Amino acid sequence: QKEVEQNSGPLSVPEGAIASLNCTYSDRGSQSFFWYRQYSGKSPELIMSIYSNGDKEDGRFTAQLNKASQYVSLLIRDSQPSDSATYLCAVRVGGATNKLIFGTGTLLAVQP
Amino acid sequence: DAGVIQSPRHEVTEMGQEVTLRCKPISGHDYLFWYRQTMMRGLELLIYFNNNVPIDDSGMPEDRFSAKMPNASFSTLKIQPSEPRDSAVYFCASSSLPGTQAYEQYFGPGTRLTVT
Repeated sequence: QKEVEQNSGPLSVPEGAIASLNCTYSDRGSQSFFWYRQYSGKSPELIMSIYSNGDKEDGRFTAQLNKASQYVSLLIRDSQPSDSATYLCAVRVGGATNKLIFGTGTLLAVQP
Repeated sequence: DAGVIQSPRHEVTEMGQEVTLRCKPISGHDYLFWYRQTMMRGLELLIYFNNNVPIDDSGMPEDRFSAKMPNASFSTLKIQPSEPRDSAVYFCASSSLPGTQAYEQYFGPGTRLTVT
């Protein structure tokens, strides 16, 4: 069974610090990786997508992908209390499909 | 541009009643997905469509659930009869064919279903 694993947290960081969120996946054929942010009572919001090994930066967010280790991470620099949310990792399984497998999410709490 | 639109936003019904959830995908998107989210099971894919055709319905829990997409701008998820264990938030999402934003899925606001 294809799986996506995340630490459920909560991950608590002080305001201004770097938050590091991690995700591992089991399907070696996976090609596309996504990070979603979900505030309590709201829908998942896409914040980053990454398709190639290495880093991808967008503002305060950096996604990192290592396919050999089957590992994807999200770094949030200068964390703000407004970043407090659950972060979901999603992986498109290998093959001709548009199906995403979601992790259970990591709850991030940024302390003012 | 308008995002994914879902209705109703909240639905409270009694066990045994029929429930119909509605979704309008982002214009131009070729894929439509129905998800269910609960505290216990997280976010689960129920079914997805490509160009209005169901591609994978392996996540549909049982025959009480059915989904249709009669045209590119409308889909329904129906539960008949509903049961208390169907209580969850149901999300619709859409995405476009591979391209610069390959496989990125955009979620609607969700329908919070409570079956008493």
